[in-house]
Amino acid sequence: GAVVSQHPSWVICKSGTSVKIECRSLDFQATTMFWYRQFPKQSLMLMATSNEGSKATYEQGVEKDKFLINHASLTLSTLTVTSAHPEDSSFYICSARAGSTGNTIYFGEGSWLTVV
Amino acid sequence: EDKVVQSPLSLVVHEGDTVTLNCSYEVTNFRSLLWYKQEKKAPTFLFMLTSSGIEKKSGRLSSILDKKELFSILNITATQTGDSAIYLCAVEALTGNQFYFGTGTSLTVIP
Repeated sequence: GAVVSQHPSWVICKSGTSVKIECRSLDFQATTMFWYRQFPKQSLMLMATSNEGSKATYEQGVEKDKFLINHASLTLSTLTVTSAHPEDSSFYICSARAGSTGNTIYFGEGSWLTVV
Repeated sequence: EDKVVQSPLSLVVHEGDTVTLNCSYEVTNFRSLLWYKQEKKAPTFLFMLTSSGIEKKSGRLSSILDKKELFSILNITATQTGDSAIYLCAVEALTGNQFYFGTGTSLTVIP
């Protein structure tokens, strides 16, 4: 099946710094990528949807200036958590879809972020 | 408001048991329903359902969709400890890239 790679798998950063998480589709071109956040024992919370070459669409309540999303190519999207705070500590997962709507989405391995 | 509800929230069974996980939804302009298995990391894709009454099967897992009653079930027969995971149901809407996730069902299979 399709492979989506996320990097880093886990990262620890200091409060006030920024951290970037990459999401790559390895064997297909992802026209649409999704970023989720997941708290322990809870389901996935969609943060934003990004289409290659255009601005991301953020879900209500998600600060676009804090969670910067760049989908610069058909195989790469990045999420940058700016001025991180301990409450940003979470599991972040990306997913990607090849081609048009209706195709299955595949998830990356996820990235654990801890802000100290 | 569009929503996806999964039940039960958690389930503990013994190896060899058969389990049925439920997913009901209220989503405007339904396109598809997807099942994922999440262990320690990211969810892995199980099934994508778009048509009513057509069972999808993969080994001991099977799933079916009822678009009239707005629900799907995921069956796992002869459960094994490796089936222990959170099972997520997601519904995609026709409008844009809208996916709605349920809260998941946590399955624990005891040896």
